[in-house]
Amino acid sequence: QITLKESGPTLVKPTQTLTLTCTFSGFSLSTSGVGVGWIRQPPRKALEFLALIYWNDDKRYSLSLKNRLTITKDTSKNQVVLTLTNMDPVDTGTYYCAHSDLYSSGYYGNDYWGQGALVTVSS
Amino acid sequence: QSALTQPASVSGSPGQSITISCTGTSSDVGAYNFVSWYQQHPGKAPKLMIYDVRHRPSGISNRFSGSKSGNTASLTISGLQAEDESDYYCSSYTMSNTVIFGGGTKLTVL
Repeated sequence: QITLKESGPTLVKPTQTLTLTCTFSGFSLSTSGVGVGWIRQPPRKALEFLALIYWNDDKRYSLSLKNRLTITKDTSKNQVVLTLTNMDPVDTGTYYCAHSDLYSSGYYGNDYWGQGALVTVSS
Repeated sequence: QSALTQPASVSGSPGQSITISCTGTSSDVGAYNFVSWYQQHPGKAPKLMIYDVRHRPSGISNRFSGSKSGNTASLTISGLQAEDESDYYCSSYTMSNTVIFGGGTKLTVL
C-alpha cells in the first residue's frame, strides 16, 4: 500500500525559506521508473507543478520558480525534501507530494498523493 | 510558461456524455503524449484519471477516456453520474523539461 505524507511548518514569514518533507511508504525511490513530485494549490485556485525527482536523481522544476526551488531525496529514509526560498504571501497554499511510476502512471502522472500541507505566509 | 487552457465550467445531465478540452501549444500538449487528467473534490487531494493521453490507471472506470488532436487534449466522461461532479485539471510535460497544469474545469451534474 502506497502512502505519502507531507510535513513542515504551517506558518512562515515573508523572506524565510520553506522546507517541506514528504515521507512515503509502500515503494522505493531507488526502483527504476519511480518518481516523487511536489504540486501546490493556492486557496480556491488551480494546481501548480513545483518539482519532481526520479529514482536516478534526475530532476524537473517549475520554470517560474526554478531559482527558488530545490528538491532532494534520501532513499534510506524514504523521504523527499523540497525547499522554497524567499517566501512571499502569494506562496500561501496547500502543498502536495505525489508518487509517479512509469509502469502505472507514466513518468508525469501522479497516481498517489499525500493529504496536503497548508502553508501560510504572513508576518 | 503559460498554463494550459481549460473551460471554466461544463455541465451535463445524468447519463449524458461531456467533454472537457485542454488546449496548449506545439511545445507542450502537441509535442508529447504526456497529458494527464485529475479529478479533485473539494478539500481532497487530486485523483489521477488518465495518464499519457489515453491510459487509465488501475481502478478508474472506463466511463473516463482521453484523447488528443494537435495541441488540444480532451477528457470525455460518458454515462455521467452525480459523483462525477468535481473539478478537473489537465497537465502536460513540456519541451522546457517541466510540467504545466491547466486552470481547471468545474463539472456540474444537473
